[in-house]
Formats: sequence, structure tokens, C-alpha cells
Amino acid sequence: ETGVTQSPTHLIKTRGQQVTLRCSSQSGHNTVSWYQQALGQGPQFIFQYYREEENGRGNFPPRFSGLQFPNYSSELNVNALELDDSALYLCASSFLRGGGTDTQYFGPGTRLTVL
Amino acid sequence: DAKTTQPNSMESNEEEPVHLPCNHSTISGTDYIHWYRQLPSQGPEYVIHGLTSNVNNRMASLAIAEDRKSSTLILHRATLRDAAVYYCILRDLRNAGNMLTFGGGTRLMVKP
Repeated sequence: ETGVTQSPTHLIKTRGQQVTLRCSSQSGHNTVSWYQQALGQGPQFIFQYYREEENGRGNFPPRFSGLQFPNYSSELNVNALELDDSALYLCASSFLRGGGTDTQYFGPGTRLTVL
Repeated sequence: DAKTTQPNSMESNEEEPVHLPCNHSTISGTDYIHWYRQLPSQGPEYVIHGLTSNVNNRMASLAIAEDRKSSTLILHRATLRDAAVYYCILRDLRNAGNMLTFGGGTRLMVKP
């Protein structure tokens, strides 16, 4: 069973630009979630995809969007970058069974800096 | 999901037991108690979870109060590698999704 991988590890963008972050889930997992972690804080849920459809969204504006592909990969897209978007972006994959017991497996994250 | 309260930081000596507390006074009967930890420069990793009974696994033990309003994560012998931020999270089994709601967590420092 391979782990969750993310690319790139670090990224620097300027305000107003667009960015795409990528994640490769564990084989067999049907769900991917994305989180934003500002420095010194716990991760905040952005959204989740289940079988390629959005399955829940946190308190993030529409300029944060995502895609999930059949090959266990997924993307997080952020348009019109703002300085406050500087953070560690984490993806997590899991096999959704429901019932509050599913374990999420996190990647190492992408550190995004917006100048 | 219901809210949890944890101390901001704790210190421990290497090879001694560590008890990490979590208060969740508004827990509902359908909330599972999950613990994740985040080592430096890594994503969070699952530690343990439970509903009502105490739980043990190879990483830790979870002791749940009888009224379920608090719980304690127990590391039986802390190592330097256990230095991390530990998050106590409640997850409602009725939720269709499985997203995690993180608080600030407890930063555990382990002294040699």
C-alpha cells in the first residue's frame, strides 16, 4: 500500500495568480479531502471529493475548487491568490464507509507562499 | 461536530508515561473520539479512536470517562519521536462525510 503523495513540496506565487496543487491518494481509496493549515494553527477543512463528486465543503470561497480523477489523483485549484492563502495545503485520502470511524491518511503537504 | 478543549502544550521526559487530556463536555451520544498527531514537517497521522470503552493499540491507549465528557490519550513510554502536536477530534457517526474538524491541539515536548 503506497502512501499519499503531494506535489510540489513548495511553491511561491504572487497575488492574483492561480495555482494547482496535486495529490495522489492511496490505491483503493474513494475519498480525498483537502485542508489548509496556517502557521501555528490546526488544519481547516476545505472540501472533500467522493467518487469524483464534491461531498462537503468548509468555509472557503468558490475560488477554491477541486477535481478528483479515477486514477486516485486529485487537484486543488486556487484562483486570484491572496496573501492570506499562504499556508500548508494537506490532502488526505480514505475509504468512506460512513459511521464516523474512517481513518484519513495525510500527505506531507504543499507549502504555498503568496507574495 | 462538537468542540474539544486541550492544553496548548505539555512537557514530558523520555521513557516516562504521558497523559494528554481532552475535554468535550458537549459530546453527543453519536460522537466518536479520535486522536491524530502531527510530527514536525509532516501531515497529521491517525493515532486511535473510541466511542465508550477504553481502547489500546500499538501506538497508545485511549481512556474515556464514564460520562464521556473527557478523554485521555496515554503514551506509555514517550520517546523523542513522540514530540508532536496531538489533536483530539469528535466525529459524528451520523455524518455522511468523514471530514475532520481540528482545534489547536496540544504540543507535546519530550525531553531527553
